[in-house]
Amino acid sequence: ILNVEQSPQSLHVQEGDSTNFTCSFPSSNFYALHWYRWETAKSPEALFVVTLNGDEKKKGRISATLNTKEGYSYLYIKGSQPEDSATYLCAFNSGGGADGLTFGKGTHLIIQP
Amino acid sequence: NAGVTQTPKFQVLKTGQSMTLQCAQDMNHNSMYWYRQDPGMGLRLIYYSASEGTTDKGEVPNGYNVSRLNKREFSLRLESAAPSQTSVYFCASSRFQETQYFGPGTRLLVL
Repeated sequence: ILNVEQSPQSLHVQEGDSTNFTCSFPSSNFYALHWYRWETAKSPEALFVVTLNGDEKKKGRISATLNTKEGYSYLYIKGSQPEDSATYLCAFNSGGGADGLTFGKGTHLIIQP
Repeated sequence: NAGVTQTPKFQVLKTGQSMTLQCAQDMNHNSMYWYRQDPGMGLRLIYYSASEGTTDKGEVPNGYNVSRLNKREFSLRLESAAPSQTSVYFCASSRFQETQYFGPGTRLLVL
């Protein structure tokens, strides 16, 4: 079983502040790293797929970076808004099998007005 | 396109009862997955189907069976429900090894 760790487990951020959190994954046999946004009572929704070391993907105020050599990815949120409150999941794909993604337990983000 | 649909949305079972959770996707994806989500545990893979006609065990398969009925449909069966199977169940689909798209989930309570 692959080990995908996310930190912190939860985070309270003031509206307007910027924040970031981490996903750590095995640095060997890397294929892709996925980020999902998961709102309460809904289903996970795909944000990004990052595949290349050093790559950065951006969607509005949210961006993700990737370091495959050391096995981590950061998710950044600039100028947090209340609607950013959600759990953010990362998922590692080793490309080695058909069982898809190994998910971290998520970072629960709460934006305080 | 409806994406990934799941039925039922909610279910209450007594210990020992059986039921089947249904999942269908209309995105022509080859791969389909069943996860369970429990507090503090994240998403754990129960079973997956890489393509029509194949199924394989994931991380937590005990107490479950699956059927890949056709390319669109992937069902999860609990033969004899136990309280430990109280959870939220998500179905997902994807092209092989790519981004997974999730259904809305089924909330199951086993008494």
